[in-house]
Amino acid sequence: EAQVTQNPRYLITVTGKKLTVTCSQNMNHEYMSWYRQDPGLGLRQIYYSMNVEVTDKGDVPEGYKVSRKEKRNFPLILESPSPNQTSLYFCASSTQGLNTEAFFGQGTRLTVV
Amino acid sequence: SQQGEEDPQALSIQEGENATMNCSYKTSINNLQWYRQNSGRGLVHLILIRSNEREKHSGRLRVTLDTSKKSSSLLITASRAADTASYFCATDIYSGGYQKVTFGIGTKLQVIP
Repeated sequence: EAQVTQNPRYLITVTGKKLTVTCSQNMNHEYMSWYRQDPGLGLRQIYYSMNVEVTDKGDVPEGYKVSRKEKRNFPLILESPSPNQTSLYFCASSTQGLNTEAFFGQGTRLTVV
Repeated sequence: SQQGEEDPQALSIQEGENATMNCSYKTSINNLQWYRQNSGRGLVHLILIRSNEREKHSGRLRVTLDTSKKSSSLLITASRAADTASYFCATDIYSGGYQKVTFGIGTKLQVIP
């Protein structure tokens, strides 16, 4: 089954404690991206990757890092989480950016206290 | 600021009625997509319309695109309670050779049985 898998689904952490949210897709997609969703702000793109070893900033990259060492995985790293990073995070993948349908993961609800 | 903005932000209709949502964007696009999100879950792709297309249909969904007005509309005909969800438009913009994807804030649709 074609899918995008995010882990964990829920996470509560403390300020400053490094964390990683994993994202994996099994569709051999080149394009992957991370979004955060906040009430009244919709989805905002954090980082995206056009292909392996090719990443670029989205609209809200501050406080986040990503890596794309292999095609299927695109982890999101918060080196020093802060409460303003409390949000619902989605990973998505597609064959070619917005030229084709994007598949979304089920989301990771992160709370930073 | 958001590239895509949906209107209205909330819509409540009776089952069987048609629902129309609009999306406006600021810069030229190559593609526009509509997605649906059930509460707190991942987005699901509905329709992709390319900049050289004016209208597309998929089941009870009809999407139009007016590039001169930089706007798109999503029409759901004969709505059902199961159509209750948030609907987002997404547009792609090219920046410095890379492709960014921008989502609007969304329209929250409630279909009353």
